[in-house]
Amino acid sequence: DTEVTQTPKHLVMGMTNKKSLKCEQHMGHRAMYWYKQKAKKPPELMFVYSYEKLSINESVPSRFSPECPNSSLLNLHLHALQPEDSALYLCATGGGGAGYTFGSGTRLTVV
Amino acid sequence: DQQVKQNSPSLSVQEGRISILNCDYTNSMFDYFLWYKKYPAEGPTFLISISSIKDKNEDGRFTVFLNKSAKHLSLHIVPSQPGDSAVYFCAASAEWAGGTSYGKLTFGQGTILTVHP
Repeated sequence: DTEVTQTPKHLVMGMTNKKSLKCEQHMGHRAMYWYKQKAKKPPELMFVYSYEKLSINESVPSRFSPECPNSSLLNLHLHALQPEDSALYLCATGGGGAGYTFGSGTRLTVV
Repeated sequence: DQQVKQNSPSLSVQEGRISILNCDYTNSMFDYFLWYKKYPAEGPTFLISISSIKDKNEDGRFTVFLNKSAKHLSLHIVPSQPGDSAVYFCAASAEWAGGTSYGKLTFGQGTILTVHP
């Protein structure tokens, strides 16, 4: 079983669209994360949720809006994105010495 | 300022031999280090980790060594297999030293490992 599930796997959206990325984990961790990875670059942290509260926002533009409805779910709402926002968006959970488990990611293309 | 550096963009190794991937860091607050393997268009897959209270951790063919005084860690893969060919990322975090940094993994640029049959 995949421990961190991300949907959709691929997403193409226009610059005026509103879409959402979803992440689900059943590992019992209370922290969840969004990372962004551009081609040939390392993943970069965007947001951290701890106990369903936003604890870190790495100066991410407001066109990215995270949401943590409960301890198992993490969403990333997208609105008015730019072509340069095209990337692999990764969800992760874990921390505190327990390691971090990543999902397979959503490949986002903004046209 | 790149706090985690992998200075070798690529490494080529013969099957059965040892692969050694290196990583340096500058932030002395880092107390937890991880290695991930990544294939294109997939999420990173956790390989092995080490906390700053240890200098070595082994898991099967993978061993991570930590030299805190040199701020250097390395991943040894023995024996290397063609299926090990991927991008390897070193990552670090301040799990215990900095409460507000909890969960903030800082990644190196990655090393492309190619294992030839």
